Amino acid sequence: EAQVTQNPRYLITVTGKKLTVTCSQNMNHEYMSWYRQDPGLGLRQIYYSMNVEVTDKGDVPEGYKVSRKEKRNFPLILESPSPNQTSLYFCASSQDRDSREAFFGQGTRLTVV
Amino acid sequence: QKEVEQNSGPLSVPEGAIASLNCTYSDRGSQSFFWYRQYSGKSPELIMSIYSNGDKEDGRFTAQLNKASQYVSLLIRDSQPSDSATYLCAVMYYGNNRLAFGKGNQVVVIP
Repeated sequence: EAQVTQNPRYLITVTGKKLTVTCSQNMNHEYMSWYRQDPGLGLRQIYYSMNVEVTDKGDVPEGYKVSRKEKRNFPLILESPSPNQTSLYFCASSQDRDSREAFFGQGTRLTVV
Repeated sequence: QKEVEQNSGPLSVPEGAIASLNCTYSDRGSQSFFWYRQYSGKSPELIMSIYSNGDKEDGRFTAQLNKASQYVSLLIRDSQPSDSATYLCAVMYYGNNRLAFGKGNQVVVIP
């Protein structure tokens, strides 16, 4: 089954404790991205990747890191989480350069206390 | 500053009626346009994509694109309770590879 898989689905952590949210897709998509969704603000892009070893900042990259060492994986790293990073996070992948029809993972609800 | 605006508040429609959603965007270089549906607590799912001016129909859904006026709309015909969700407009821009979303419109279909 074609899918984008995120882990974990739920995470509660403390301020400053490094964490990684994993994202993996099995559709051989080149384009992957991370979004956060907050009430009243909608979906905002954090980082995206056009291909292996190619990443770029989205609209709200501060406090986040990403890597794209393999085509299928695109982890999101929070080196020192803060309470304002409490949010619902989605990973997405797209099949080609032109359409950008994004397929989303199930979401990760992160709470930083 | 690129923007995707969905200004309407929650939309309540009776079952069987037409729901109409609008979205405007600021960058004339926009290339691709999408409508996503998101049920509460779930991830967005693509329901329509449109790339050229005019209408595109898929079942009960019709997307309309007018690049000159910089808007894209979504019509849901014969609305069903299962259509109750938040609908997100998304726009892909020329020159970068970023997909920008509007804040969404909540639709409530009343049986």
